Amino acid sequence: AQKITQTQPGMFVQEKEAVTLDCTYDTSDQSYGLFWYKQPSSGEMIFLIYQGSYDEQNATEGRYSLNFQKARKSANLVISASQLGDSAMYFCATHGNTDKLIFGTGTRLQVFP
Amino acid sequence: KAGVTQTPRYLIKTRGQQVTLSCSPISGHRSVSWYQQTPGQGLQFLFEYFSETQRNKGNFPGRFSGRQFSNSRSEMNVSTLELGDSALYLCASRTGLAGRGSYEQYFGPGTRLTVT
Repeated sequence: AQKITQTQPGMFVQEKEAVTLDCTYDTSDQSYGLFWYKQPSSGEMIFLIYQGSYDEQNATEGRYSLNFQKARKSANLVISASQLGDSAMYFCATHGNTDKLIFGTGTRLQVFP
Repeated sequence: KAGVTQTPRYLIKTRGQQVTLSCSPISGHRSVSWYQQTPGQGLQFLFEYFSETQRNKGNFPGRFSGRQFSNSRSEMNVSTLELGDSALYLCASRTGLAGRGSYEQYFGPGTRLTVT
């Protein structure tokens, strides 16, 4: 069975600062992947970044990077230079041997000027 | 390239009715998955289709069903609607083929269903 834990219900960050959103996972699969999605108030889930369990380097996509620590089973999202438009819910998710994604409960990020 | 599209975006139904939601994946994507999002249960996997075959199914009653057509478009159906079926229904697509980026799932804007 797979499980995602996001322990931060809400986070605040000032514009232009960096912020880290925490995610820990639990899986019995040898091969798995980790996702981060952004969900604005409109409801659409926006794909941000993906890390495969066998990828040795941390994934990066523009201002987003995934701090993957396999031994600690953590996959934290780092957003550099926060923007007001980054205010949204952020979900961490994992897949194992199937397409089924298991999501965490999410972290609401609020960026203030 | 166009993203995942879902229709309708909003829907209001009454208890006991049935509803059909539609999802068109990104061109070239052959895998479509459906998720239900509610404030109480969060995001839960409903089912996944690849090449017109259901490959995985979540823990939902038989009132929830789906299908996929030869052009990869997918529909999900909920029969005998209950108040608890009110939710945001999201569909996601991916290539479904092996290779780099093959696991990346892209979501549509969702259909917000309200059951009264």
